[in-house]
Amino acid sequence: GQQVMQIPQYQHVQEGEDFTTYCNSSTTLSNIQWYKQRPGGHPVFLIQLVKSGEVKKQKRLTFQFGEAKKNSSLHITATQTTDVGTYFCAGPRDNYGQNFVFGPGTRLSVLP
Amino acid sequence: DAGVTQSPTHLIKTRGQHVTLRCSPISGHKSVSWYQQVLGQGPQFIFQYYEKEERGRGNFPDRFSARQFPNYSSELNVNALLLGDSALYLCASNDRGWYEQYFGPGTRLTVT
Repeated sequence: GQQVMQIPQYQHVQEGEDFTTYCNSSTTLSNIQWYKQRPGGHPVFLIQLVKSGEVKKQKRLTFQFGEAKKNSSLHITATQTTDVGTYFCAGPRDNYGQNFVFGPGTRLSVLP
Repeated sequence: DAGVTQSPTHLIKTRGQHVTLRCSPISGHKSVSWYQQVLGQGPQFIFQYYEKEERGRGNFPDRFSARQFPNYSSELNVNALLLGDSALYLCASNDRGWYEQYFGPGTRLTVT
């Protein structure tokens, strides 16, 4: 079945440093979504990417969708303590795109 | 507007028992999905319902079942509980089935 992998599993950074997490799918994706889950919380939708090579920015966050639509990345510039949490990518399980396979997540710790 | 609500918040059950978890989607959302999240892992898809019909089923045993009611709320039932069923059960709703999902706070199930 479809697999979605993420690296790294954990990342510890000093506040102000940059952070990047990478997501790879075993199959071509029609779209990819990113979620953030704070400790003790629930996943919160960040963004959806649809087009090959698409790049979207949200303030200090930059999201990319690979040209082959099998990989994606999330880059955070100048991390802040509010960025702490686990970042998940998720791709559609089927061609209808109505339910999703989540990656294992990258857990980010930011040291003040 | 109220977000996705789930009940109960926490639940402790004994092996072999049965449990029912409930979810109320955001008003107007017709799609409800259920996910199981084991500590330290990404959410695993269990079921999706759209307009009261099952639209997707993940790789979970038949002990897991769900349904959606005319008001679009949903129940997840788990029979013959095992220790491995201990997890955070998340409900997510959206209005188009394929776009961003809004997650509820989850039900923390502990099986002893």
